[in-house]
Amino acid sequence: GAVVSQHPSRVICKSGTSVKIECRSLDFQATTMFWYRQFPKQSLMLMATSNEGSKATYEQGVEKDKFLINHASLTLSTLTVTSAHPEDSSFYICSATIYNEQFFGPGTRLTVL
Amino acid sequence: KQEVTQIPAALSVPEGENLVLNCSFTDSAIYNLQWFRQDPGKGLTSLLLIQSSQREQTSGRLNASLDKSSGRSTLYIAASQPGDSATYLCAVRGFGNEKLTFGTGTRLTIIP
Repeated sequence: GAVVSQHPSRVICKSGTSVKIECRSLDFQATTMFWYRQFPKQSLMLMATSNEGSKATYEQGVEKDKFLINHASLTLSTLTVTSAHPEDSSFYICSATIYNEQFFGPGTRLTVL
Repeated sequence: KQEVTQIPAALSVPEGENLVLNCSFTDSAIYNLQWFRQDPGKGLTSLLLIQSSQREQTSGRLNASLDKSSGRSTLYIAASQPGDSATYLCAVRGFGNEKLTFGTGTRLTIIP
């Protein structure tokens, strides 16, 4: 299947700092990518839809000023958690669709101290 | 609003047994349905994709069925192995966009 990568795989940061997570489609182009977060032992919650060349579409309740999404090319979307706080600690996963099938990255574990 | 439910939440079976995981959804107007597995601390691996016009898909020891009218899908795993231990998630895609609505997952443990 198609490959989606994420970087970094895990990050620890201090409260108040910003963290950038990259999501890349390695062997295909993706005009649309998705960002999810997952809390322990829970299912995935869609945060936003990242659209290449235009603004992201955020789900209800997700702060767009806190979770900045940039989709500057057909193979790269970035999620920046601004002024991170301990409650932002979570597992963040991105995905992209090709031929109607959605493929997921390996996830990024964010821990905010 | 689409809601997806998976029962049971957890399942333990001895190695070698066949098993069935269940997924139900409230809105039958779906574009497709995917089954994924997730290992602890990892991303999701796509197992099977069933288009709305299909009834089932097979890959190796896995067989997924879809009954759109009743809002149900099942994932059948034959001759289970310890390596099958993981959380299994089903997700449905509606029409008009690529968003997936995920089920709550079934945590499967295969006992050697």
